[in-house]
Amino acid sequence: EVQLVESGGGLVQPGGSLRLSCAASGFTFTSHWMSWVRQAPGKGLNWVASIQPDGYEIHYVDSVKGRFTISRDNAKNSLSLEMNSLRAEDTAVYYCARDVPNWGGLDRWGQGSLVTVSS
Amino acid sequence: SYELTQPPSLSVSPGQTASITCSGHKLGHKYTSWYQQKPGQSPVLVISQDSKRPSGIPERFSGFSSGNTATLTISGTQAMDEADYYCQAWDSTTTVVFGGGTKLTVL
Repeated sequence: EVQLVESGGGLVQPGGSLRLSCAASGFTFTSHWMSWVRQAPGKGLNWVASIQPDGYEIHYVDSVKGRFTISRDNAKNSLSLEMNSLRAEDTAVYYCARDVPNWGGLDRWGQGSLVTVSS
Repeated sequence: SYELTQPPSLSVSPGQTASITCSGHKLGHKYTSWYQQKPGQSPVLVISQDSKRPSGIPERFSGFSSGNTATLTISGTQAMDEADYYCQAWDSTTTVVFGGGTKLTVL
C-alpha cells in the first residue's frame, strides 16, 4: 500500500524556520517526481515545489523561492521541505504528494502537516 | 502567470449530472487533472490527463478538455460526491497551477 506520512509541522514565529519531512513507502520512490502542496485555512490548494527523482531538477513557486528548499533522500525514501524566513502567509496545511509520470497529476497525498506562523 | 478559473460553487440534485468547468488560456493544449477534497481530508485524484480515471474512481466521473476549457462531469451525482473539486495543469513543464476550487453541493 502506498503511504506518505508527513511530520515536522507546528507553531513558529515570523522569521523562524521549520523542516517538514515525508516518509514514503509502498512504491518505488526513485521512479517518481515528488511535490509539496499547501492549503491555507479555508482556502484552496497551492503548489509549493517539486523535485525530480534524482534530485537535480527542482522547481518552486515564486513566493517561496530563496526561502524554501525541497530535497529528497532516496536511500531513506524521504522527502523534505526546509522552510526559512517564515511569514504569516505561509500558514497552511502542507501536503507531500506523488507525481504521476507524463503530467498525470498527483495521485497519492499524505495526511498533511499544519504549519502555523504566528507570534 | 497562468491562471485557471473555476466557478466557486455548483448545486445539483441527487441523480442529476454535475458539470464543473475549468478555464485557462489554451488549456486544451495541456493535460488537466481533477481532484476531489472532502472536509478534513486530503485531496484525491479523480481524473488524470484530461480524461483518464485512476483505479478505484467510479465510472460516473469523466473528463474532457478542448480549447480553453476542461470539464469534469459527474453523472448520476450521489450525496457522497459532495465535496470541493480542483482542476490542475502545468503552466510550463515546470510550474503546477491549481484552479480556485468549486464547492459541489448535492441537495
